[in-house]
Amino acid sequence: EAGVAQSPRYKIIEKRQSVAFWCNPISGHATLYWYQQILGQGPKLLIQFQNNGVVDDSQLPKDRFSAERLKGVDSTLKIQPAKLEDSAVYLCASSLAGFGTDTQYFGPGTRLTVL
Amino acid sequence: GNSVTQMEGPVTLSEEAFLTINCTYTATGYPSLFWYVQYPGEGLQLLLKATKADDKGSNKGFEATYRKETTSFHLEKGSVQVSDSAVYFCALSDQTGANNLFFGTGTRLTVIP
Repeated sequence: EAGVAQSPRYKIIEKRQSVAFWCNPISGHATLYWYQQILGQGPKLLIQFQNNGVVDDSQLPKDRFSAERLKGVDSTLKIQPAKLEDSAVYLCASSLAGFGTDTQYFGPGTRLTVL
Repeated sequence: GNSVTQMEGPVTLSEEAFLTINCTYTATGYPSLFWYVQYPGEGLQLLLKATKADDKGSNKGFEATYRKETTSFHLEKGSVQVSDSAVYFCALSDQTGANNLFFGTGTRLTVIP
């Protein structure tokens, strides 16, 4: 069974530029999550989708971050414009149904460096 | 609110030593508890989980018991190997909310031969 796919794996941009990340979850998983992991910290949830609807985006900085999950499958996360403090690893995860007991499966992440 | 407090690292042990990584939590409901592991150059993987009080999760020789009375979920292994070198994250999922994961800061373990 294929895991969660993410691209690109690495991205370096200048501040004020835009960047987009892509995620393809495990086939059949209804719930998709985007996390931000700053160096030395645990991952922090940015947004959670159930199929193509948003369940929780309370921690998403909506003035610069946006995300969508068209057709309830793959998803893109965009940052526009980027700031220095956005340097982090962006993790995508998926789970079967989104219950609290469900296992979340993580992709390899995209490491973003903002200069 | 929901939060996880994890033992500060890094931790360095000799092969075959006993490992304990402490984890305590605060939650508004009745959370599920998880340990995730991140090996060098790889993504986060689930190591083990427990979904109710007194449950014991186990995998690859690692164990953790869900202790509601002490709000703890300490990770243990009786005899570590060099291949266990990784960063370990404790996490909780609050089942009363959107069920997303709240992570600790991670503990880096290095096992030396």
